[in-house]
Amino acid sequence: DAGVIQSPRHEVTEMGQEVTLRCKPISGHDYLFWYRQTMMRGLELLIYFNNNVPIDDSGMPEDRFSAKMPNASFSTLKIQPSEPRDSAVYFCASSPWDRLNTEAFFGQGTRLTVV
Amino acid sequence: DQQVKQNSPSLSVQEGRISILNCDYTNSMFDYFLWYKKYPAEGPTFLISISSIKDKNEDGRFTVFLNKSAKHLSLHIVPSQPGDSAVYFCAASAQRQGAQKLVFGQGTRLTINP
Repeated sequence: DAGVIQSPRHEVTEMGQEVTLRCKPISGHDYLFWYRQTMMRGLELLIYFNNNVPIDDSGMPEDRFSAKMPNASFSTLKIQPSEPRDSAVYFCASSPWDRLNTEAFFGQGTRLTVV
Repeated sequence: DQQVKQNSPSLSVQEGRISILNCDYTNSMFDYFLWYKKYPAEGPTFLISISSIKDKNEDGRFTVFLNKSAKHLSLHIVPSQPGDSAVYFCAASAQRQGAQKLVFGQGTRLTINP
């Protein structure tokens, strides 16, 4: 398996524009997570899905953020409108989360810069 | 509120010596703990984990210690090698509560000096 695949790797956008980040999880993994990495807070969980259903979105900072998982092999994180303070690295991760495998596997991340 | 805290943003250690990275947590429901390693421009990768029923887990040069009464865990790397230079994240989950999510700390940047 190629691992968790995120696109794009880098995104530079102007304030006020819509940004969509994409993620393809590892096949067979039931859980998908979106994290944001900042210097101050480290890796912050934004939202996670189980079997394509959002379970906990309490980490989503504002209504400007939304996430979807239309099927088991694809998820998006959308920011509309984007603001400079949204600049960060966004990671997607997936996990089988069974008794023997409780770690999450991360993609390479999307570095978002909002100017 | 930061439930998992890594109070040292950075650590510098000489090659061959022991590296000790520390992590504190506040949620007593956490029962599974992990360490991740992250190189620049890459995603974090799993390194080692420990369940709350244990106080030590060893894997080669890496050992994780858990002190439940102090709500503290540490990662020991010995001997340290230049390839160990990376950012290390501590993470925790509350599996018995059915919380299938990892809560991460802020990370510690480890630099191994030759």
